Amino acid sequence: DIQMTQSPSSLSASIGDRVTITCRASQGISNYLAWFQQEPGQAPKSLIYAASSLQSGVPSKFSGSGSGTDFTLTISSLQPEDFATYYCQQYNSYPYSFGQGTKLEIK
Amino acid sequence: QVHLQQWGAGLLKPSETLSLNCAVYGGSFSDYYYNWIRQPPGKGLEWIGEINDSGSTNQNPSLKSRATISVDTSKNQFSLRLTSVTAADTAVYFCTRGRFVGTMRLWGQGILVTVSS
Repeated sequence: DIQMTQSPSSLSASIGDRVTITCRASQGISNYLAWFQQEPGQAPKSLIYAASSLQSGVPSKFSGSGSGTDFTLTISSLQPEDFATYYCQQYNSYPYSFGQGTKLEIK
Repeated sequence: QVHLQQWGAGLLKPSETLSLNCAVYGGSFSDYYYNWIRQPPGKGLEWIGEINDSGSTNQNPSLKSRATISVDTSKNQFSLRLTSVTAADTAVYFCTRGRFVGTMRLWGQGILVTVSS
């Protein structure tokens, strides 16, 4: 099974900051990597698929990069609605797996 | 606006069978992949299994074959059955839809299923 490890597990940032979250796969997954945003009590929202493709309707302040085992999600110009938990997910092989999540909090 | 609507029992006793349904409203059911995901309270996301509109499935081996995912294209819905539940199966269960295998573009609202004697 492929293990997905996110870092950091939590992150404090200020309004207007630019932040980067890292996701590492235990083996190569090509670009079969997605990112999700989850607010408390809500279903996750799809942000990015295929490592760097933005879902329609998602602001361009979100960007993804990477291939193989190392991936990043970057959020520019943080706004109050961006403070949430972010998950990566690999869909290169079964069983699909998620990272443990990164909680982004307001400093 | 296409959306997923979930329903099913929210309180079970140990050893009972969990049964959840998810329907697609406002959009096509064909040519998509459908997944079940769960999230224990305060924890991360776990993939349960996937089905396509033809009924081909894949499941997480961690569930030790307790899960069955099925599809009813005449009703634009798919279902999850999980047998012999224990307290460890207490979680919010989500259904998802994606255009490509493994993708999860659209999510249902989630249902909290609690297993307690």
